[in-house]
Amino acid sequence: QAVVTQEPSLTVPPGGTVTLTCGSSTGAVTSGHYPYWFQQKPGQAPRTLIYDTSNKHSWTPARFSGSLLGANAALTLSGAQPEDEADYYCILAYPNSRVFGGGTKLTVL
Amino acid sequence: EEHLVESGGGLVKPGGSLRLSCAASGFAFSNVWMNWVRQAPGKGLEWVGQIRTKTDGGTADYAAPVKGRFTISRDDSKNTLYLQMNSLKTEDTAVYYCITTYWGPGTLVTVSS
Repeated sequence: QAVVTQEPSLTVPPGGTVTLTCGSSTGAVTSGHYPYWFQQKPGQAPRTLIYDTSNKHSWTPARFSGSLLGANAALTLSGAQPEDEADYYCILAYPNSRVFGGGTKLTVL
Repeated sequence: EEHLVESGGGLVKPGGSLRLSCAASGFAFSNVWMNWVRQAPGKGLEWVGQIRTKTDGGTADYAAPVKGRFTISRDDSKNTLYLQMNSLKTEDTAVYYCITTYWGPGTLVTVSS
């Protein structure tokens, strides 16, 4: 089974920019992996921020964007706000399965 | 407005069975692949399985830890997704979510003697 890797933790100052990445043990992440990004705050269910690499939901703040960056999928936060402090997970699609990354704990400090 | 609500969770003994349901509304359920995801206490998200639309064959795929024990099905006439869980183990204890790009609130399954 493929392994999906994320940074365990990242810190960004308020107003700053940070990029979270999502890599695959099988090689470069492509649009064919249909990367999704989820945000989860303590005590809450996750919610989808980005689907299919770069598509946003109606509730996704404009400061979040998704892309392919090098061999990885990427979630970029531009202009971090205190309320963006949360866990972020990506998931990639493989033939007949999907695999989550281990998650990134983002601190806004 | 799109809505997913899971139900059927509870306390079950190791080796027991449980069936979860997920009621969907506000979108074309029959046209969407559905997924089950779980989260053990204090842990990350784990993909459990997915089911295709009838148009795409209606078949299901499972994560290795649950393959052969869990079965995903759907009733498009009721806009409902199911997860039949058999031979439950303590490590299956988690909040279970049904998801598309939307998430339900989840339902807690506790496997304990």
